[in-house]
Amino acid sequence: SYVLTQPPSVSVAPGQTARITCGGDNIGGKSVHWYQQKPGQAPVLVVYDDSGRPSGIPERFSGSNSGSTASLTITRVEAGDEADYSCQVWDSNSDRLFGGGTKLTVL
Amino acid sequence: QVQLVESGGGVVQPGRSLRLSCTASGFTFSSHAIHWVRQAPGKGLEWVALIWYDGSNKYYADSVKGRFTVSRDNSKNTLFLQMNSLRVEDTAVYYCARDWVTPVVSRAFDLWGRGTLVTVSS
Repeated sequence: SYVLTQPPSVSVAPGQTARITCGGDNIGGKSVHWYQQKPGQAPVLVVYDDSGRPSGIPERFSGSNSGSTASLTITRVEAGDEADYSCQVWDSNSDRLFGGGTKLTVL
Repeated sequence: QVQLVESGGGVVQPGRSLRLSCTASGFTFSSHAIHWVRQAPGKGLEWVALIWYDGSNKYYADSVKGRFTVSRDNSKNTLFLQMNSLRVEDTAVYYCARDWVTPVVSRAFDLWGRGTLVTVSS
């Protein structure tokens, strides 16, 4: 089955740029989606199809995908961005659709 | 208000059964496929099951195949997950999530509920 690998944690100071990676075999050939999950809240789709942004998601959130790594980038990080972020692909031949999640800490 | 609300979680002994519900509001439930996704304590998200908009097709993760059954009642805007032969490793928060076929024909989850906690313990 297909495996997505994320770093367990990323830390960034307010106002700086956070980059969260999602590694997978030739992930650049797949469409990657990203979710933000705050404690006790429902996950929220923040990036779809590598770099698309759903309505209501700030422009500070962007994504890219090439080769073996997809990335979620958050510019001008705010305290309210502190959350868990998970990448996801759709592979009808695999049950493992999600990465393990990355906890973003705003210092 | 567009939302999904899960219910039915609780504490259950290994080997027993539990049925979860997910009630939709604010959108045309019968037009959307819906997934169940779970998250064990301290772990990442795990896809569990998918049911098509009309219930005609259902798909399951290998970890629950043969034990869990997804169904829906479009007249009541409600999705169900019947969980039998529960195991300790099924302990998790269970979310229902609306399916979205993206512009490049992938699948994403564009609306989630807040989840319901299932604890399997003796």
